[in-house]
Amino acid sequence: QSALTQPASVSGSPGQSITISCTGTSSDVGGYNYVSWYQQHPGKAPKLMIYEVSNRPSGVPDRFSGSKSGNTASLTISGLQAEDEADYYCSSYTSSSTPWFGGGTKLTVL
Amino acid sequence: QVQLVQSGAEVKKPGASVKVSCKASGYTFTSYGISWVRQAPGQGLEWMGWISAYNGNTNYAQKLQGRVTMTTDTSTSTAYMELRSLRSDDTAVYYCARDLSGLSAFDIWGQGTMVTVSS
Repeated sequence: QSALTQPASVSGSPGQSITISCTGTSSDVGGYNYVSWYQQHPGKAPKLMIYEVSNRPSGVPDRFSGSKSGNTASLTISGLQAEDEADYYCSSYTSSSTPWFGGGTKLTVL
Repeated sequence: QVQLVQSGAEVKKPGASVKVSCKASGYTFTSYGISWVRQAPGQGLEWMGWISAYNGNTNYAQKLQGRVTMTTDTSTSTAYMELRSLRSDDTAVYYCARDLSGLSAFDIWGQGTMVTVSS
């Protein structure tokens, strides 16, 4: 089994918007509205940012938004801030009744 | 507040076993499942398995079947993950995480437990 496909890195300047993609198949991303996104700073545990494609947990800024089209989900961060620099992982429920993660994307704020 | 607190770092020899604990507080333990996720040094996240804190049902990742056992102790609101026949590629940070709903997302994470497998 292969992980969901994410770009290895993305970058943006403060105030800009960036989008991170997460590509799977009809057996995972495309088949279920159970895509989630996690932010992980170095040496820290992951933090849930988006669940069920586009829902934000309490306390997550509305600068973070999620969407899905076909087999590809996306995380958009608008008004980029220095503290957004981190690794981001997507996850999806699969037809095997298990979840799996994307390979991760390193976001650099220039 | 809602939190998961894990046991401390472990160093094990190849072939040994390790058991990591994850103590929950701030919520009704039996109302949520617990997943275990690991992260090898410099690598991504890998889901290992899930246990229902309500009835003990489990769902393990296929690659770990036969080597991993997840249990819970509802009297102490603690989840456990035991991994046997350790190999060097089991060296990783192991996280427990609260399952928001049916393996759709993990909303509360433990601080992580470093397990090093080395001769």
